Amino acid sequence: GQSLEQPSEVTAVEGAIVQINCTYQTSGFYGLSWYQQHDGGAPTFLSYNALDGLEETGRFSSFLSRSDSYGYLLLQELQMKDSASYFCAVDTGRRALTFGSGTRLQVQP
Amino acid sequence: DAGVIQSPRHEVTEMGQEVTLRCKPISGHNSLFWYRQTMMRGLELLIYFNNNVPIDDSGMPEDRFSAKMPNASFSTLKIQPSEPRDSAVYFCASSPSDRTNQPQHFGDGTRLSIL
Repeated sequence: GQSLEQPSEVTAVEGAIVQINCTYQTSGFYGLSWYQQHDGGAPTFLSYNALDGLEETGRFSSFLSRSDSYGYLLLQELQMKDSASYFCAVDTGRRALTFGSGTRLQVQP
Repeated sequence: DAGVIQSPRHEVTEMGQEVTLRCKPISGHNSLFWYRQTMMRGLELLIYFNNNVPIDDSGMPEDRFSAKMPNASFSTLKIQPSEPRDSAVYFCASSPSDRTNQPQHFGDGTRLSIL
């Protein structure tokens, strides 16, 4: 079977840094993606990691450790508009993604 | 450029009725995905197509669900007969290829309520 574990909710203040973790257990693994979804909206792609290490895109960075079956999304200089749900998703090689249950981030003033 | 277009945005119908959801992928994308999102089960892949051919329909919950992609610019997801437990947000997404390092672009979804 396949499973992805994320915290259900994280709270942080504006300007802070927050890390959202994702651990996975899958029968195959090709890469880890992150998607953002605002309430009532559609998921939007943030990042993809296939190799170990940190990928940085503006205020957002994503990290992967294949040996630990672990990744995280790092959000810096938090803004109110970052309040949303964040999903990790695993590519197990079946050419489709398996999504985690999502982490709801609340950014407070 | 237009994104993924889904219709209708909202659908409310009584159980037993047939429901048809529609999706127009981004032009040039050759992979199309149908997802269902609920509070209980999260975001689930129902089926995906590559070059209009269904590749994996293992997520389709039961025979009441069917999906087609008659051409590169149109897909439908049909539920017949519908049941209250089918109430969910249904998303369609498209991708430039079937390589999952490519971003999936989601439509705004169809909010389906079965009474």
